[in-house]
Amino acid sequence: GESVGLHLPTLSVQEGDNSIINCAYSNSASDYFIWYKQESGKGPQFIIDIRSNMDKRQGQRVTVLLNKTVKHLSLQIAATQPGDSAVYFCAGLNTGGFKTIFGAGTRLFVKA
Amino acid sequence: GAGVSQSPRYKVAKRGQDVALRCDPISGHVSLFWYQQALGQGPEFLTYFQNEAQLDKSGLPSDRFFAERPEGSVSTLKIQRTQQEDSAVYLCASRPRRGFEQYFGPGTRLTVT
Repeated sequence: GESVGLHLPTLSVQEGDNSIINCAYSNSASDYFIWYKQESGKGPQFIIDIRSNMDKRQGQRVTVLLNKTVKHLSLQIAATQPGDSAVYFCAGLNTGGFKTIFGAGTRLFVKA
Repeated sequence: GAGVSQSPRYKVAKRGQDVALRCDPISGHVSLFWYQQALGQGPEFLTYFQNEAQLDKSGLPSDRFFAERPEGSVSTLKIQRTQQEDSAVYLCASRPRRGFEQYFGPGTRLTVT
């Protein structure tokens, strides 16, 4: 079936530490993956994306890793800041279509 | 520039009432999506428009849900005879012609009492 799920519902990290948020997907047809950040009362906001023909992509303080063999995604946030506190969703998309499948989300708490 | 806007931001409806939720996408964005987000869950796809054409409505939970985008810009999601299980945040997103990034609005929180 189509599903994108997460290993942990919450993650608590100390300010300045690195955060790693994991995600598993089951739909092999997904060839494009996106990480979204959602703050309270707001809609999801794009963070970073990766195509299935890549295994790593870096942005500003964020890195996404894709392991197609085990159908696993991770989002790494370097030097986590209080402003990073939010719910993070991974999402999968078949670029031949349009339907995006979201996971349930991981809530990240950053302790000062 | 202006992002995606949705109105109202909050809506309380009594069970059985009809509601209409509005989405103003980013100007020029061809694609428009509606999602339903239950508390503590990820958004779930409801329906998709390309310009004024509704190309997929497979995610609409029942025939009480209806969406339209008559002129290819503003969209309305209508829910008839609301039920308690309809309580959720309804998110709208738009996407330009190229690329896959969706730009989300803040959502409308619907509470059915």
